[in-house]
Amino acid sequence: AQSVAQPEDQVNVAEGNPLTVKCTYSVSGNPYLFWYVQYPNRGLQFLLKYITGDNLVKGSYGFEAEFNKSQTSFHLKKPSALVSDSALYFCAVRDLYSSASKIIFGSGTRLSIRP
Amino acid sequence: NAGVTQTPKFQVLKTGQSMTLQCAQDMNHEYMSWYRQDPGMGLRLIHYSVGAGITDQGEVPNGYNVSRSTTEDFPLRLLSAAPSQTSVYFCASSYEGAGQGGYEQYFGPGTRLTVT
Repeated sequence: AQSVAQPEDQVNVAEGNPLTVKCTYSVSGNPYLFWYVQYPNRGLQFLLKYITGDNLVKGSYGFEAEFNKSQTSFHLKKPSALVSDSALYFCAVRDLYSSASKIIFGSGTRLSIRP
Repeated sequence: NAGVTQTPKFQVLKTGQSMTLQCAQDMNHEYMSWYRQDPGMGLRLIHYSVGAGITDQGEVPNGYNVSRSTTEDFPLRLLSAAPSQTSVYFCASSYEGAGQGGYEQYFGPGTRLTVT
């Protein structure tokens, strides 16, 4: 069965510093991996995905993530945090051989950027 | 394109009542899903569909029914509402394109449901 773990409920970073939001996954086959962001009282917005190819993927708003197969991780990173990055972030996974609709989400990490 | 739309935005039900949460998408996506979001638990998959006429259960299907008679619509039915179903419900759709195109989900704005 697919599963995703986001080990940190909250991450606090000063503006201008690099940020990392951690995600590890478990699937039986090759994974498709995703990051989404949710602002207060809004739906989820897609940030980036890993399907195949280059392990370092770049997405919206300057975010990037690195797929590490040996560590089964897909951590979200940004070189320089902005106050406007404060939001709830979700990692999600789909097994290559499961339905395209069956995407499993982590519990979320609240990112707080202080000025 | 309106994308993924959900109605209603808010709903209050009494225990035992039934209702249908509506979800529609105008992007001709094959794949659709329903999630519930609860504090500290992230999004949990309720039911999903891979095309018209085909649905399957997700992580937390009990107490909910779905059907998919058209590509566009994917309603979620609460058969007999319980306080444990108080949550925010999100509908999502996606497609699979050539190469790395597609796969990500497009989400609706959500329905906030309270069961008293």
